[in-house]
Parts: sequence; C-alpha cells; structure tokens
Amino acid sequence: GAGVSQSPSNKVTEKGKDVELRCDPISGHTALYWYRQSLGQGLEFLIYFQGNSAPDKSGLPSDRFSAERTGGSVSTLTIQRTQQEDSAVYLCASSLAEARWETQYFGPGTRLLVL
Amino acid sequence: AQSVAQPEDQVNVAEGNPLTVKCTYSVSGNPYLFWYVQYPNRGLQFLLKYITGDNLVKGSYGFEAEFNKSQTSFHLKKPSALVSDSALYFCAVRALSGTYKYIFGTGTRLKVLA
Repeated sequence: GAGVSQSPSNKVTEKGKDVELRCDPISGHTALYWYRQSLGQGLEFLIYFQGNSAPDKSGLPSDRFSAERTGGSVSTLTIQRTQQEDSAVYLCASSLAEARWETQYFGPGTRLLVL
Repeated sequence: AQSVAQPEDQVNVAEGNPLTVKCTYSVSGNPYLFWYVQYPNRGLQFLLKYITGDNLVKGSYGFEAEFNKSQTSFHLKKPSALVSDSALYFCAVRALSGTYKYIFGTGTRLKVLA
C-alpha cells in the first residue's frame, strides 16, 4: 500500500514568510510525528499526535511553529515568519497504534530552505 | 532525561568485513530500542527493534543488534558488509512509560569500501 507522503518535497522561501508543510500518513495509522533533521543534528522531535488525545507539542522550538491534524489523518506543520535557522528537512512519520514498541514509517521529507 | 549517543560520526569498513555501528542510551527503566537507516535521497527505513526477550535481535538486510543492559548499549552489526549498506544509520530509544517521544541519536554514516 501507499506509504507516508509529504508535500512539497522542496520549499524555498524568503525570511519572514509563512510556510505550510503537509503530511499524509499511512491509512489507518493513528499516531503521527513530526521531526526536524538538520545537518549533523540527528532527528529533533517536534510534535506527536495520537488519535483524539491532546498532542504532545513539547518539541516545538518556538511559538512560530504549530501543527494540526484534521480528521485524525492529514497533518499540516506551519512555520510563521520563517528564519534562516528553520532551514532543515522536515520529516513526518506515522505508526499503527499507541503501543510503545510500534515501528514508525517515515515519509520522504520536505526540504525547507529559508533565504 | 532520555538520550541516545552514537559516538562515531562515520564508520569505514571494507566490503566483506564485519561492521559495527555503536549506540548507547540513557533512559529511566527498560527501553524500547530501534535502528533506522537512511539511504541517499530516501526516507528513513526501519531495520530492527528490541522490545523484550532475546538480547540478540535480527532485522532486515542481514543486520542484527545486541541489547546489553549492563552497558546500556544497542550496537548494530552485520557479519559481512556490502557496498550497498553505505548509508546513514540512526539509533532511537523510547521509554516504557511516560513520554511517547522517540529520542534519536545524531546518526552514523557508514561507508563500505569496495
């Protein structure tokens, strides 16, 4: 079946503009994660959604970052007033259930460049 | 606080030789441990995970990892490296209770030389 998809694959924006990144998880997956991958920094957790529970937003680096998940499926990560340090690859992952041993399935990522 | 350390930024190994990619972790209580691989221009792919039971876990593409509780390590191994194994490898940990976050290491780039 289809994997996790993300759009756009690449995004170039000017400093100060807002951007929206989209994630379509695998159908039926109730858990969804956003990560940021910067060069040499590994994967930085941003936010976690599980079903109808309140999301874990503890990884969002500033109030310029927000995310929502509509209908328990598609998720959008919004970065307002982008800064150059926001340049990174933004990865989305989904997993089947809330079980802690569940495997995450990653999308191909959105490469964001802020000029 | 949970943490994962991958002490080597890069590991070079000759094709056909055994390879080891190191990972140590810090978490309260027992962990769930994972290895993911990222090939060039592709997303992260799951390799293997430790949940409970046998300390030696076998995964995809001939990889295996050994959970060592006393050394808080979960090193990734393969008996005979292939050039196609060249990629970026990430270790991750998740606690059995509390936060649902996965904590990832900074990654180790494996280069297998022909």
